[in-house]
Amino acid sequence: AQSVTQLDSQVPVFEEAPVELRCNYSSSVSVYLFWYVQYPNQGLQLLLKYLSGSTLVESINGFEAEFNKSQTSFHLRKPSVHISDTAEYFCAVSAASYNTDKLIFGTGTRLQVFP
Amino acid sequence: EAGVAQSPRYKIIEKRQSVAFWCNPISGHATLYWYQQILGQGPKLLIQFQNNGVVDDSQLPKDRFSAERLKGVDSTLKIQPAKLEDSAVYLCASMVRLAGDVGYNEQFFGPGTRLTVL
Repeated sequence: AQSVTQLDSQVPVFEEAPVELRCNYSSSVSVYLFWYVQYPNQGLQLLLKYLSGSTLVESINGFEAEFNKSQTSFHLRKPSVHISDTAEYFCAVSAASYNTDKLIFGTGTRLQVFP
Repeated sequence: EAGVAQSPRYKIIEKRQSVAFWCNPISGHATLYWYQQILGQGPKLLIQFQNNGVVDDSQLPKDRFSAERLKGVDSTLKIQPAKLEDSAVYLCASMVRLAGDVGYNEQFFGPGTRLTVL
């Protein structure tokens, strides 16, 4: 079975500052890793994913995450945040298997960007 | 392309009442999921359908929750009777995976139904 830990429930940051949202996972098998974003009163949107290959993955809006197998981490980073990045961010994991796509989510990190 | 549709968006009921939620997935998506997201927690899978068959309902509280996808398209999730701890956002997601597909496919989420049980 897989599990996900997001250590920070809230992260306040000023606009244009860098930010890191931490995610650690546990699994006995190979995994796919994901970051989802949830804006107020909206559903979850996939921000970025790691399936295989390069351990550094990027989103179209400047976020990046690095898969670190030895530390079982998949931290999300952005060098300069914007007010519009204020949202809830969920890390998720699934077993890298053809016969299962069950997503296990962390408890979420609320990113609050202040002007 | 239209996204995953859910209704109602909000529902307030008293405990012991019944409630039903509706989900219409993206056209052509064979796989449909229902998740429960309690405040302060991440979404938890309740049930997964492949067409009109149940793939995984291991975390569905079957004494009070039921779900169906009779024609393999839209789906309803019912709670009867509701308890206070059922207050949550119920998310529906769909995925294009067809029988025999292997590898990763993205799940697309609807906006959710926020249930408040008083």
